[in-house]
Amino acid sequence: AQSVTQLGSHVSVSEGALVLLRCNYSSSVPPYLFWYVQYPNQGLQLLLKYTSAATLVKGINGFEAEFKKSETSFHLTKPSAHMSDAAEYFCAVSGTNAGKSTFGDGTTLTVKP
Amino acid sequence: DTEVTQTPKHLVMGMTNKKSLKCEQHMGHRAMYWYKQKAKKPPELMFVYSYEKLSINESVPSRFSPECPNSSLLNLHLHALQPEDSALYLCASSQDERKHNEQFFGPGTRLTVL
Repeated sequence: AQSVTQLGSHVSVSEGALVLLRCNYSSSVPPYLFWYVQYPNQGLQLLLKYTSAATLVKGINGFEAEFKKSETSFHLTKPSAHMSDAAEYFCAVSGTNAGKSTFGDGTTLTVKP
Repeated sequence: DTEVTQTPKHLVMGMTNKKSLKCEQHMGHRAMYWYKQKAKKPPELMFVYSYEKLSINESVPSRFSPECPNSSLLNLHLHALQPEDSALYLCASSQDERKHNEQFFGPGTRLTVL
């Protein structure tokens, strides 16, 4: 069984501030973890993925995430928010069934000027 | 080409209509997926095709009928839908369903059932 919990359905930051989006997972096997971003009226786009090669994962658009097994977390961060980062962010996990990713409920990121 | 295309972008249909959604990818991926996404919700998996065979059906009502004519194409045939089926329908593909690869998503078809 696998699940993902995204803490905070809405996060608001000022432009230039740190972005922190939280994701905790549960998996009965070593997990593969993904962060996707969805802009309005578009599909999902992969930001980054964790596949056990390195605990600190760098992605596109300046985002990164750190896998912490002890905390079962995979939080997404970006040092300095940009207006274009405003979007919906989904954390996802795949475990026993590789073809069946489980998505979190999503976090809406708002960036204030 | 790292793109998944979907047509049409928007579709309005009545409850007695028959329509089809189309999805195409030319990345050589052997797994293709249909998701349904309601507003402000995560995508819900509907079907998975692996090497052109139906691999997963998440107990989807029979008014939704998937088809995979070849490794690049995925269709979703719609018949006798209900207003609650109105949603964004997303197609995705990945290299191989048996591996933990990322999925590439299309832009979706916004479906409205009247």
